[in-house]
Amino acid sequence: ELKVEQNPLFLSMQEGKNYTIYCNYSTTSDRLYWYRQDPGKSLESLFVLLSNGAVKQEGRLMASLDTKARLSTLHITAAVHDLSATYFCAVIRNQGAQKLVFGQGTRLTINP
Amino acid sequence: EAQVTQNPRYLITVTGKKLTVTCSQNMNHEYMSWYRQDPGLGLRQIYYSMNVEVTDKGDVPEGYKVSRKEKRNFPLILESPSPNQTSLYFCASSLITGPEQYFGPGTRLTVT
Repeated sequence: ELKVEQNPLFLSMQEGKNYTIYCNYSTTSDRLYWYRQDPGKSLESLFVLLSNGAVKQEGRLMASLDTKARLSTLHITAAVHDLSATYFCAVIRNQGAQKLVFGQGTRLTINP
Repeated sequence: EAQVTQNPRYLITVTGKKLTVTCSQNMNHEYMSWYRQDPGLGLRQIYYSMNVEVTDKGDVPEGYKVSRKEKRNFPLILESPSPNQTSLYFCASSLITGPEQYFGPGTRLTVT
């Protein structure tokens, strides 16, 4: 059974600091997604990582994938308040069926 | 505009009163799916469909039904809602080959 675990689940940090959210998954998969969710809103796609060693960056966010370690990281550089949100990683369980399994989410609060 | 729509967005109902939440996409996607989101649990898949008349159970299908009579629509049916189905529901769609999944705006359901 595919399980996806994120840590930390809650993160409070100051503006200007760097931090990393970790996403571990239990069985082989070569496609990993990162989503952002603001309170009361839907999921916004941030990154889709399709292969081992993939690295993608958008603004202050950078995501990477290590399929051998079954680990993805979402790194936040010089955090700003606007990045406060809940971040989810998700892994495809069955590629033919596009079945996503989500982590629990990391609630990120960035304080001025 | 490419989008996934859900209706209603908010619904308060009573135990046992049948309800349907509609989902529609305008991107000609083969794959559609329903998720529920509960605090601390992330999103869990309820049902999915890989094409017209092809549906299958996800991780938490009990108490739900779906149908896929047209490619664009994938309604979620609660025949006899119970309070433990109080949740935030998301519909999603994608091409069968992925990789991007598009989420609807969400439906907040309260069953009293």
